[in-house]
Amino acid sequence: EAGVTQFPSHSVIEKGQTVTLRCDPISGHDNLYWYRRVMGKEIKFLLHFVKESKQDESGMPNNRFLAERTGGTYSTLKVQPAELEDSGVYFCASSPGQGYGYTFGSGTRLTVV
Amino acid sequence: GQNIDQPTEMTATEGAIVQINCTYQTSGFNGLFWYQQHAGEAPTFLSYNVLDGLEEKGRFSSFLSRSKGYSYLLLKELQMKDSASYLCAVSLLNSGYSTLTFGKGTMLLVSP
Repeated sequence: EAGVTQFPSHSVIEKGQTVTLRCDPISGHDNLYWYRRVMGKEIKFLLHFVKESKQDESGMPNNRFLAERTGGTYSTLKVQPAELEDSGVYFCASSPGQGYGYTFGSGTRLTVV
Repeated sequence: GQNIDQPTEMTATEGAIVQINCTYQTSGFNGLFWYQQHAGEAPTFLSYNVLDGLEEKGRFSSFLSRSKGYSYLLLKELQMKDSASYLCAVSLLNSGYSTLTFGKGTMLLVSP
């Protein structure tokens, strides 16, 4: 089966611009997660979708970040406007349900200059 | 708050055995995962412990003691390809759903 796919793999944007990251989970996985790793720090939770609903968005840094999962399939994470501190690697993961492991995508490396 | 500690770096020799420790202080514990991550790639699942004891899977084993807030990942017969970052992650339960809280990862370098 296809794994978790993230696009783009790299993005370099200027401060103040907008960027949209996309995640395609494994087909049939209801749970979709976004995580972020800032350089030198641990991977941190951003938010969790169950199908198309936001179950937990307690990790979202601020209102410049907007995540959607229309139709309960792929998800997008938009950063608008981007700031320098938003640079990092954004990971997406999916799982079929509680008690199952998470499958991670390769991540999107975002650099804000 | 949640706190997960693991060593930053470790080195070992090909063919040897290495143990990577992880200690945690969390609430809502729902299991502990170990992931392997090569540079630029996705973290890949290695093991999951929810009960105390040792789980063995080929060259890799993982141990958990919930009372001590302690886990370790044991890698045997090390190979060069085992050079990677090893991530300890605790599954935390909140309102019936779980999310992962990660340590900073242990960079393992295997030398010939």
